[in-house]
Amino acid sequence: RKEVEQDPGPFNVPEGATVAFNCTYSNSASQSFFWYRQDCRKEPKLLMSVYSSGNEDGRFTAQLNRASQYISLLIRDSKLSDSATYLCVVTRGDIPTFGRGTSLIVHP
Amino acid sequence: DTAVSQTPKYLVTQMGNDKSIKCEQNLGHDTMYWYKQDSKKFLKIMFSYNNKELIINETVPNRFSPKSPDKAHLNLHINSLELGDSAVYFCASSHPWTGTDTQYFGPGTRLTVL
Repeated sequence: RKEVEQDPGPFNVPEGATVAFNCTYSNSASQSFFWYRQDCRKEPKLLMSVYSSGNEDGRFTAQLNRASQYISLLIRDSKLSDSATYLCVVTRGDIPTFGRGTSLIVHP
Repeated sequence: DTAVSQTPKYLVTQMGNDKSIKCEQNLGHDTMYWYKQDSKKFLKIMFSYNNKELIINETVPNRFSPKSPDKAHLNLHINSLELGDSAVYFCASSHPWTGTDTQYFGPGTRLTVL
């Protein structure tokens, strides 16, 4: 089993839709959790950290479920500019492990 | 005022050559990383340095040798390049000791080995 697993997609949604991504991780000792966004031919950039209590940033909501070892990202009211690859990152100590990413395509 | 910079941005070279990629960060971070992103877009950590000391060395061929002259720089030297080394190499930095492990990535170096 891979340490961090994501459905690669692509998720193809119309503007205004709500879309959710999940990510599972295998190491229960994992400490920190993040979602990164990577645009085509660009570097990954932090989207948001993920906490057990859940956190929201505008149209984006992230949740962590330690018992089931998964994190989720919910995007409401999708915009064309949300089209990108969303990378789940799980960190244990100094070692970050990236998922392979979920591709999102938002169309008019 | 770029936070993490890499040079060159593109590198095209022949098999068997030796090449270097440079990385610099002006964020004052203690930890720097090298990642490889292959054609399947999978981003995998290669090395991590904290204050010029190697702390992570994932399973990479010993043709890859990182060098950290100071904590703001982490260069990657690759000997005897192979076709399979073609990928995008990202440098990143973070300051985990503050409790936030956010990685700041450089723009990437697209390496093509012919």
